Amino acid sequence: DIQVTQSPSSLSASVGDRVTITCRTSQSISRYLNWYQQKPGKAPKLLIYTASSFQGGVPARFSGSGSGTEFTLTITSLQPEDFATYYCQQSYTTPRTFGQGTKLEIK
Amino acid sequence: QVQLQESGPGLVKPSGTLSLICDVSGGSISSDNWWNWVRQSPAKGLEWIGEIYHRGNTNYNPSLESRVTISLDKSKSQFSLKLNSVTAADTAVYYCARDFCSGGSCYGIDFWGQGILVTVSS
Repeated sequence: DIQVTQSPSSLSASVGDRVTITCRTSQSISRYLNWYQQKPGKAPKLLIYTASSFQGGVPARFSGSGSGTEFTLTITSLQPEDFATYYCQQSYTTPRTFGQGTKLEIK
Repeated sequence: QVQLQESGPGLVKPSGTLSLICDVSGGSISSDNWWNWVRQSPAKGLEWIGEIYHRGNTNYNPSLESRVTISLDKSKSQFSLKLNSVTAADTAVYYCARDFCSGGSCYGIDFWGQGILVTVSS
């Protein structure tokens, strides 16, 4: 299985801040890395697919980058609705594997 | 807009079989996508269980493969999950979901059901 290591596990930030979350994979996955946002009691929501492509309706303050084994999700100018848990997932091969999540909290 | 809805028992006895159904609406289950089951628990986070294609091809997580069966009924636009010999470690929220695929590559899970909590307890 491809291991996906996400960091940090939690992050405290303020409205208007810029934050970055990182995912590393145990082997190269080209650009087959996706990012999800999850709010309490809800299913995850796809934000970005294949490292940097926006899912429809996702605000431009979200961006993704990377290839191979290292990927980042950046949120510029945090908004109150952005405080949630973020997950990465590789879709290069099965079994699909997820990162452990990053809980983004209000400072 | 594709919609998915899980249904099934919320309580299963240890050593029993967990059975869930996912109803797909708003889109064709015979499209070029894979239909997934994913579960989430505090202990394991998000865990991919497996997937099925409309032609019946399946892929399973090796950690669960000996206990899992995913099947599909095109006439009812449903796919289902069976997990046998369950223990308390199988207690989780179970999601059915669509992995968006095209031309042999997949691009993330773009539609999810609301999730159903299944508790394994006597």
